[in-house]
Amino acid sequence: GIQVEQSPPDLILQEGANSTLRCNFSDSVNNLQWFHQNPWGQLINLFYIPSGTKQNGRLSATTVATERYSLLYISSSQTTDSGVYFCAVRGSGTYKYIFGTGTRLKVLA
Amino acid sequence: GAVVSQHPSRVICKSGTSVKIECRSLDFQATTMFWYRQFPKQSLMLMATSNEGSKATYEQGVEKDKFLINHASLTLSTLTVTSAHPEDSSFYICSATQTSGVTDTQYFGPGTRLTVL
Repeated sequence: GIQVEQSPPDLILQEGANSTLRCNFSDSVNNLQWFHQNPWGQLINLFYIPSGTKQNGRLSATTVATERYSLLYISSSQTTDSGVYFCAVRGSGTYKYIFGTGTRLKVLA
Repeated sequence: GAVVSQHPSRVICKSGTSVKIECRSLDFQATTMFWYRQFPKQSLMLMATSNEGSKATYEQGVEKDKFLINHASLTLSTLTVTSAHPEDSSFYICSATQTSGVTDTQYFGPGTRLTVL
């Protein structure tokens, strides 16, 4: 099956800093989503981005499907950005999403 | 956006009892729902895929007789953990797919934290 690796596994930032999270996947995919899991466990959908670039406020994401990676950019980080960020990919011919290993982010005030 | 609810949000039970978790899509019809399990500080692992009106498809290593899944309608799927044991303690999360001609974004419920004593 598809392997999904995220880096870095852990990240500590000072409030206001920028960061880039990476998601590598081992095979071609039809869909890719980025999620934020808050400290209470709730998964929030950030982006549906099988290819190209999208922006939503301080967050943006880019997926280069041909090179099998996606990037999530967080600018001017805030303490509320803390949590775990997951990417999840769906291969062709299936509804199943495979989740990455996650990046645990802590933003310090 | 699409909303998925789960009930209960937290449950504590004694070993040997059964626990039912409900997953509902509140404002859309979900032909496919997914059940995930997440252990502390780990990623989400897919347990099973549930299609309305048909038997669930379980991932390798997931006991179908222990984790009973029912998807009786386009807005409701249930997961029943039968004869629960302490090792079943985990965070269970459901998601639902709103299939359209353009995207099939997965929307996640808030999760259910199960503790088996």
